[in-house]
Amino acid sequence: QVQLVQSGAEVKKPGASVKVSCKASGYTFTSYYIHWVRQAPGQGLEWMGIINPSGTSTSYAQEFQDRVTMTSDTSTSTVYMELSSLRSEDTALYYCVRSVPGTKAFDIWGQGTMVTVSS
Amino acid sequence: QSALTQPASVSGSPGQSITISCTGPSSDVGSHNLVSWYQQHPGKAPKLMIYEVSKRPSGVSNRFSGSTSGNTASLTISGLQAEDEADYYCCSYAGSSTPWVFGGGTKLTVL
Repeated sequence: QVQLVQSGAEVKKPGASVKVSCKASGYTFTSYYIHWVRQAPGQGLEWMGIINPSGTSTSYAQEFQDRVTMTSDTSTSTVYMELSSLRSEDTALYYCVRSVPGTKAFDIWGQGTMVTVSS
Repeated sequence: QSALTQPASVSGSPGQSITISCTGPSSDVGSHNLVSWYQQHPGKAPKLMIYEVSKRPSGVSNRFSGSTSGNTASLTISGLQAEDEADYYCCSYAGSSTPWVFGGGTKLTVL
């Protein structure tokens, strides 16, 4: 079935970087854009950015422009999100999400990866 | 601070109908007809309930419906059931420097 499977939880110190993976299966990887959305504990959803899995383009939310990098590996149908200069406020559940072409809606969500930033 | 404004909480009794509003700038909700709604149960990933303002994905109950009026989108749930108790988020495509924006979320309590 169509699914996005993410890498496991991470604990990082302030100032470090984290790289989360998201492996797609059950559909044509290059036909759907992938987004990253995060959710701090007890808080709402926050859109971080989008990548065309063909690897040709990305777009990031202004808030993360200087710290986030999204990449893809078509040989393994995997998308990566790297966030640098981590601070305690980056402690959150990070989701990779597929969007339906044209509708701009998010139809398939990964299970989420918890990133904890603590000294 | 979210770009889209939702009520923090709404409640209703089983069988009743409730409506959750989502208000944003005219450049977002009012312009693109690309509003979507998500349901999130505790400890679970969000689930797409409505897209393009009023369309339901396959498998979503027709008790869920969406609409817009001006700069406000709305999600209506009719015939409330216990399993509808969850957090609900609206999202709009804005086509700006931050193209997708979410509302702050609304906690629905079924009394």
